[in-house]
Amino acid sequence: DAGVIQSPRHEVTEMGQEVTLRCKPISGHNSLFWYRQTMMRGLELLIYFNNNVPIDDSGMPEDRFSAKMPNASFSTLKIQPSEPRDSAVYFCASSLMDFSNEQFFGPGTRLTVL
Amino acid sequence: AQKITQTQPGMFVQEKEAVTLDCTYDTSDPSYGLFWYKQPSSGEMIFLIYQGSYDQQNATEGRYSLNFQKARKSANLVISASQLGDSAMYFCAMREGVTGGGNKLTFGTGTQLKVEL
Repeated sequence: DAGVIQSPRHEVTEMGQEVTLRCKPISGHNSLFWYRQTMMRGLELLIYFNNNVPIDDSGMPEDRFSAKMPNASFSTLKIQPSEPRDSAVYFCASSLMDFSNEQFFGPGTRLTVL
Repeated sequence: AQKITQTQPGMFVQEKEAVTLDCTYDTSDPSYGLFWYKQPSSGEMIFLIYQGSYDQQNATEGRYSLNFQKARKSANLVISASQLGDSAMYFCAMREGVTGGGNKLTFGTGTQLKVEL
């Protein structure tokens, strides 16, 4: 299996632009997670889906952030408009919904907003 | 209150020695799971080991073992025979049962481990 795939790996954009991050989970996994990692705040869960349905979006910072999972093999995280404080590494992870199963992380997208 | 606490921001260990990375947790849920992840400088997150709250024995995976002390709410990671490749950031994480938050993980702030010759 190819593992969790994220694109792009690096994104540099200007403040005010729309940014879309993409994730393909491991085939067969039914839970998908979006995390953000910064030096100041560490690793934070933004939102997660079970069976393509958003379960908990309490970590989404504000209305500028939105996430979708139109099918079992694809998810997007969108920031519109982007701000410099959104600069971070964004990880997507997937797992089976079973309680003891670990989450498999993608390589991350390093976002820089100028 | 922090759900996961890692009090050691940085640790040094000599090659071939054992090292213990501390993790304490806070939950009132009787059903929970504890995970350790490794993040090398390249940035990827690598799963190391899992311990369930009802597991009778401490988890082990190769050179990794988890010193689970339920009454103290601690889940320390022990790495035996340290190698240079073990130099990385290590995160402790907890998943609480359905009443606590479904299957999401809450991560600690991490411990940066440096293995020296």
